[in-house]
Amino acid sequence: NAGVTQTPKFQVLKTGQSMTLQCAQDMNHEYMSWYRQDPGMGLRLIHYSVGAGITDQGEVPNGYNVSRSTTEDFPLRLLSAAPSQTSVYFCASSKGQGREQYFGPGTRLTVT
Amino acid sequence: AQKITQTQPGMFVQEKEAVTLDCTYDTSDQSYGLFWYKQPSSGEMIFLIYQGSYDEQNATEGRYSLNFQKARKSANLVISASQLGDSAMYFCAMRVNNDMRFGAGTRLTVKP
Repeated sequence: NAGVTQTPKFQVLKTGQSMTLQCAQDMNHEYMSWYRQDPGMGLRLIHYSVGAGITDQGEVPNGYNVSRSTTEDFPLRLLSAAPSQTSVYFCASSKGQGREQYFGPGTRLTVT
Repeated sequence: AQKITQTQPGMFVQEKEAVTLDCTYDTSDQSYGLFWYKQPSSGEMIFLIYQGSYDEQNATEGRYSLNFQKARKSANLVISASQLGDSAMYFCAMRVNNDMRFGAGTRLTVKP
């Protein structure tokens, strides 16, 4: 039981490049979400999914796309990276809306 | 819109003493969940405690308790018998439906 896994751990992109951050969970959780954490701030919700085929926007969705083709996987796509997207990205999952979310270890992204 | 406020950027506590970390929230919804997470210097997000808006009793998890005052819209975290390993960032969060908002965090330092 690996919990929530994220790859890569670190990534450096040039402005304008695209990439996908991977997130997978093996707990059969319906709810998955992506957050970004900037220095001195709490986490901010980017996108979330309540089940396979269902996604919705969070607080800061611009510049990011998501899809949920399986229960296990919830990739986050940066379409055209910008320096403002330099951040630490966390994926999380939970059994429905309530109670504990399990977080992945995070991906540190730098856009130059 | 939902909002979470943590007014203490940093706190110090002597080892073995109790400490209270403040959190206030704002929402017009009657149904919501309140969470506390710990983020050590290693960066992972660790779930500590949860309180539902309809829960009549304050939540407790080992040395952690949540002082829930609904009328004042506060959800303070109390850590009893502080340990050196409690030194970390602490985040308060609120979930309303599928929207999750985090406070800016409080850095707790436990002194030996």
